[in-house]
Amino acid sequence: GQNIDQPTEMTATEGAIVQINCTYQTSGFNGLFWYQQHAGEAPTFLSYNVLDGLEEKGRFSSFLSRSKGYSYLLLKELQMKDSASYLCAVSFTYSGAGSYQLTFGKGTKLSVIP
Amino acid sequence: GAGVSQSPSNKVTEKGKDVELRCDPISGHTALYWYRQSLGQGLEFLIYFQGNSAPDKSGLPSDRFSAERTGGSVSTLTIQRTQQEDSAVYLCASSPQGLEELFFGPGTRLTVL
Repeated sequence: GQNIDQPTEMTATEGAIVQINCTYQTSGFNGLFWYQQHAGEAPTFLSYNVLDGLEEKGRFSSFLSRSKGYSYLLLKELQMKDSASYLCAVSFTYSGAGSYQLTFGKGTKLSVIP
Repeated sequence: GAGVSQSPSNKVTEKGKDVELRCDPISGHTALYWYRQSLGQGLEFLIYFQGNSAPDKSGLPSDRFSAERTGGSVSTLTIQRTQQEDSAVYLCASSPQGLEELFFGPGTRLTVL
């Protein structure tokens, strides 16, 4: 089966940097996604890592280590609007052809305080 | 262009009734996913379609749940004899082929009284 772990809640100060960790165990790994979900809204895409290393996109960066089953999302220059849940999701392939699935972690609720 | 749409946006029903939830994916997207999110919880995978076929139904919670997709486009999730534990937000998402970014619809909030 698949197992994805991330912290339940985090709090950080406006203007600071925060790192949200995600560990996973899965077979048939394809890649790892990060999504942002504001309260009462649908998730929106932030990043996708397939290879090891750091992907930077503006204030957001995502890192992946496939050998360690580990990823993190780094948010810089935090703004109040960054208060949201951040979902780690693992894409994997079943042994059957074309059988993909995307499994989500329970999400990390980030609160940004003044 | 139009994103993923879902209807209804809200549904209140009585325990034991059947409900149908509809998803219109982005045109041309072959992959379609259904997820369920209970209050304060993560996304629970329900079913995945590639075209009209569902290679993975492993997430459907019970035989009261079924889904179909016709014409490689619209999908319907049906819940028979609804129970109070079925109350949740049901999210639909599509992607061009299945391994890429998912585009989520706004969800259907189902409340079973």
